[in-house]
Amino acid sequence: EAGVAQSPRYKIIEKRQSVAFWCNPISGHATLYWYQQILGQGPKLLIQFQNNGVVDDSQLPKDRFSAERLKGVDSTLKIQPAKLEDSAVYLCASSLSTGRLNEQYFGPGTRLTVT
Amino acid sequence: AQRVTQPEKLLSVFKGAPVELKCNYSYSGSPELFWYVQYSRQRLQLLLRHISRESIKGFTADLNKGETSFHLKKPFAQEEDSAMYYCALKGGAQKLVFGQGTRLTINP
Repeated sequence: EAGVAQSPRYKIIEKRQSVAFWCNPISGHATLYWYQQILGQGPKLLIQFQNNGVVDDSQLPKDRFSAERLKGVDSTLKIQPAKLEDSAVYLCASSLSTGRLNEQYFGPGTRLTVT
Repeated sequence: AQRVTQPEKLLSVFKGAPVELKCNYSYSGSPELFWYVQYSRQRLQLLLRHISRESIKGFTADLNKGETSFHLKKPFAQEEDSAMYYCALKGGAQKLVFGQGTRLTINP
């Protein structure tokens, strides 16, 4: 089966600009996750969707970050305005559901550089 | 609060030597523990989980609730084991919390 798709793979922007990332999960996967991975650290969950509803966005900086999954399939993550500390790899993952045995499958990530 | 600590950022061993990547966690309930691996130019992927009690690519990990540890072990390292390894915990909220990762290098 096709894996999780993300675009773009790389993005360079100046601070205060806006940027959007796109994720297409594995077909049939109800749960979608966005992670932020800063250099030298492990991935940190930003937001989790179950179908098109938000399950957890407790670590999403809501003053500048937003995410949506309108039809319960694809998702977009937006940053507006970007700060230097937003430079990171943004990972999208999906799973069938959230139960104990549901494995998360990760996309290739989008590397964002804010200058 | 859920927390995962991997004390070694870098670990280098020779081919054929035993490998142990350390992972300690903090969680008041009954956690699920995982090891994820990222090979060069590949995606992050699940290596193994404690509830499966299986050996994957020769790696095993035992959950020690008394020491709150979930160390990853392999008796004889191979060059293809060189990768970034992340320990992760899933608690009551079903949210994955990752450690900082250990870069394992196997020297020929």
